[in-house]
Formats: sequence, structure tokens, C-alpha cells
Amino acid sequence: EAQVTQNPRYLITVTGKKLTVTCSQNMNHEYMSWYRQDPGLGLRQIYYSMNVEVTDKGDVPEGYKVSRKEKRNFPLILESPSPNQTSLYFCASSLLSRATDTQYFGPGTRLTVL
Amino acid sequence: KQEVTQIPAALSVPEGENLVLNCSFTDSAIYNLQWFRQDPGKGLTSLLLIQSSQREQTSGRLNASLDKSSGRSTLYIAASQPGDSATYLCAVRAAGGTSYGKLTFGQGTILTVHP
Repeated sequence: EAQVTQNPRYLITVTGKKLTVTCSQNMNHEYMSWYRQDPGLGLRQIYYSMNVEVTDKGDVPEGYKVSRKEKRNFPLILESPSPNQTSLYFCASSLLSRATDTQYFGPGTRLTVL
Repeated sequence: KQEVTQIPAALSVPEGENLVLNCSFTDSAIYNLQWFRQDPGKGLTSLLLIQSSQREQTSGRLNASLDKSSGRSTLYIAASQPGDSATYLCAVRAAGGTSYGKLTFGQGTILTVHP
């Protein structure tokens, strides 16, 4: 089954404790991206990757890091989480071709930073 | 910077009505526009994707149109059903250059279809 998986689905942590949220897709997609969703602010793009070893900033990259060492994986790293990073996070992937660029989303990771 | 606005923010209709959701964007240099559905506590599901060169796309009871020059898209839902209740979001992908990978979302329209 074609899917985007995220782990963990729920995470409660404390300020300053480094964490990684994993994202993996099994569709051989070139494009992967991370978003955060906050009430009243909608979905905002954090980072995206056009292919292996190619990453770029979205609209809200501060406080986040990413890496794309393999095509299927795109982890989101919070080196020193702060309470303002409490949010619902989504990973997505697509083929990024003119024929089809349908975005496939993961189920989300709800992060609480105390 | 691209800005995407969706109107109305919320909509409540009786079952069977035809309805229109609106999406507008400030920068017409887009690669494509997508409409998504999001159920509470869930991820997004793509409904329709319109390339910048296209005027509309249809899937079942859904029809999406795109007027790139005026920066507008509409999602038409025919014969609405309670199962259509969800949040509907539109998103535009920048056309090229250094912003090609960027996707900008609207804040969504919360749709409630009551029996």
C-alpha cells in the first residue's frame, strides 16, 4: 500500500531535549516536505526536499533541521525544542512531475513541548 | 510572498445542496493548485490537482476550476452529503526559480452538511 508514515504519532517532551520525528514514503517520490499546523495559522511549510541531498527552507524553518540521505526518508530534527514548537506536524511527498504532483500526507505527529 | 485566502471560513448547509468554496492567491506565477480534504485529527487527502495550463478538473461530484490570471479557484460540490463534512484546503505550488518547491496553503473552509 502506497503510504507516508510518521513516527511517533504523539510526543510530549521538555524544553531543550533534542528529538527527531521520522518520515518515510514507499512510493519512490522525489519531493518530500514538512508542515506544521496551528489553529488560526493553517498549514505552514517548514522545509522541503526536491531529491536526495537537496533541501531548502520553507516559510517557518527556524528551530528545525532536516536531512535527506535516502530517497524514502526525510526526518525532522528539533535540536532544542521550545514550547512555541508545540504543534501538529505533517510530512508529505509527491512525484513532482508535470503529469502528476499529487501530495500524499502522513497521519501527523502531535508534539507537545513543556 | 504568496498568500492564499479561502472564503468562507465555515459553511453549514443541508444535505443535497450544491455549494461552492473559494480560494484566491496573490501571485499568479503558480505551477499548480490542489484541493485537499482534512477530517478532524487526520492528515490531508488530495481531491483534485489543476495544472497551471488547465481550467478545470472533475472527480465525481467535485469540480475545481482555475482562473490563474485573476488568482482564483473554486471547488464545486454537487448534491452534498453528510459524509462531505470536513475541512477543505487549497494549496498552490510556486512556478519556478528558487521558490519551486514551496507550497502555500489557505486556512481552509470548515464544511458541515447536516441531514
